[in-house]
Amino acid sequence: DAGITQSPRYKITETGRQVTLMCHQTWSHSYMFWYRQDLGHGLRLIYYSAAADITDKGEVPDGYVVSRSKTENFPLTLESATRSQTSVYFCASTNGGFATEAFFGQGTRLTVV
Amino acid sequence: DAKTTQPTSMDCAEGRAANLPCNHSTISGNEYVYWYRQIHSQGPQYIIHGLKNNETNEMASLIITEDRKSSTLILPHATLRDTAVYYCIVRVLSVVGRGGATNKLIFGTGTLLAVQP
Repeated sequence: DAGITQSPRYKITETGRQVTLMCHQTWSHSYMFWYRQDLGHGLRLIYYSAAADITDKGEVPDGYVVSRSKTENFPLTLESATRSQTSVYFCASTNGGFATEAFFGQGTRLTVV
Repeated sequence: DAKTTQPTSMDCAEGRAANLPCNHSTISGNEYVYWYRQIHSQGPQYIIHGLKNNETNEMASLIITEDRKSSTLILPHATLRDTAVYYCIVRVLSVVGRGGATNKLIFGTGTLLAVQP
């Protein structure tokens, strides 16, 4: 199916574990983004990517690693999960340019215990 | 980065127009204003965007002041399903990686619109 999908939808992990959240889009969009959303807050940008092999930090990158070896995939890795990283994570993609809309995935709810 | 300021919450009666204001006084000349909304637990949904002219689509209208320092999103006939958090965003241009350019969506805290029956 066309669109942007995130997996898993729900994840519980232990402090100190490495965990990877997946994001896949079928439109061949150039730009992809990762956001986190905490209770009572808006979305905060973690990392973004302008194209394959081009990534850059957003507002809250500490503790996260991203890669973009293929245009359609943009995985987000928590190298050593902490409780403060408990959040809902959203991935988005857009074709770029100033006048294009971004499409968001359905989110991954991550709990670090 | 250009910042936006929105009221924390607003109420609107069902069937009436909902007018959501947004201030973006530091917006640059080539930065677009975007509006998204987020219904509980879902990913944000695009509504509309504009540069300096007023815009209208099947969901809403966007009114941007002549000095571009503020804008208003108008939902002409609000329904209960329009209850959501509405985000006003200024699309920011930045240089990334090997000299390429990209633009980021930086979200503020948004306005919780509660449509009342």
